[in-house]
Amino acid sequence: NAGVTQTPKFRILKIGQSMTLQCTQDMNHNYMYWYRQDPGMGLKLIYYSVGAGITDKGEVPNGYNVSRSTTEDFPLRLELAAPSQTSVYFCASSPPGYDYGYTFGSGTRLTVV
Amino acid sequence: GENVEQHPSTLSVQEGDSAVIKCTYSDSASNYFPWYKQELGKGPQLIIDIRSNVGEKKDQRIAVTLNKTAKHFSLHITETQPEDSAVYFCAANPNFGNEKLTFGTGTRLTIIP
Repeated sequence: NAGVTQTPKFRILKIGQSMTLQCTQDMNHNYMYWYRQDPGMGLKLIYYSVGAGITDKGEVPNGYNVSRSTTEDFPLRLELAAPSQTSVYFCASSPPGYDYGYTFGSGTRLTVV
Repeated sequence: GENVEQHPSTLSVQEGDSAVIKCTYSDSASNYFPWYKQELGKGPQLIIDIRSNVGEKKDQRIAVTLNKTAKHFSLHITETQPEDSAVYFCAANPNFGNEKLTFGTGTRLTIIP
């Protein structure tokens, strides 16, 4: 049981480039989330999804896009990368319901130069 | 929306002593309160959680207490060990039916051998 898998683990982008951060889970969780964590800071929600075909914005969605075509996968797309998007990105998933904890992936460390 | 404040931001304790981290929340309708541990270079991991119908929950050396009247909850770690060194996050569910957790800003706990 792999849990939540994120790829790549590290990436350096040049300003203006685009990339997709991959996230897949094998726990059949309906809900999936993308967070960013800046150095020394807490977790900020970028986008979330309550099921295939359904996505919604979190606190800091600008500069990002998501899609959810399957239960397992929830990729995060960065268009026109900016230095402000330098961060560690975490994907998480949870069963449906308000009182279940999240399972997080190991993160993608992104640097935009 | 929900606001979660976490204190202290850093905490150093001697090995074997106890550590306490406190969080306060703003939404009186919140009813689920998980705690996450994040080790260096890894994603946050759920270590314990508590629901609003319970005042205290223990799991070996860790415990969480909840005071709904005062709207605060705390993480207690007894007999601390070097492997307890990590960043700890509290979180709260904003309201019934809303599955997006609001996270605190984190506490960096250092255990001094």
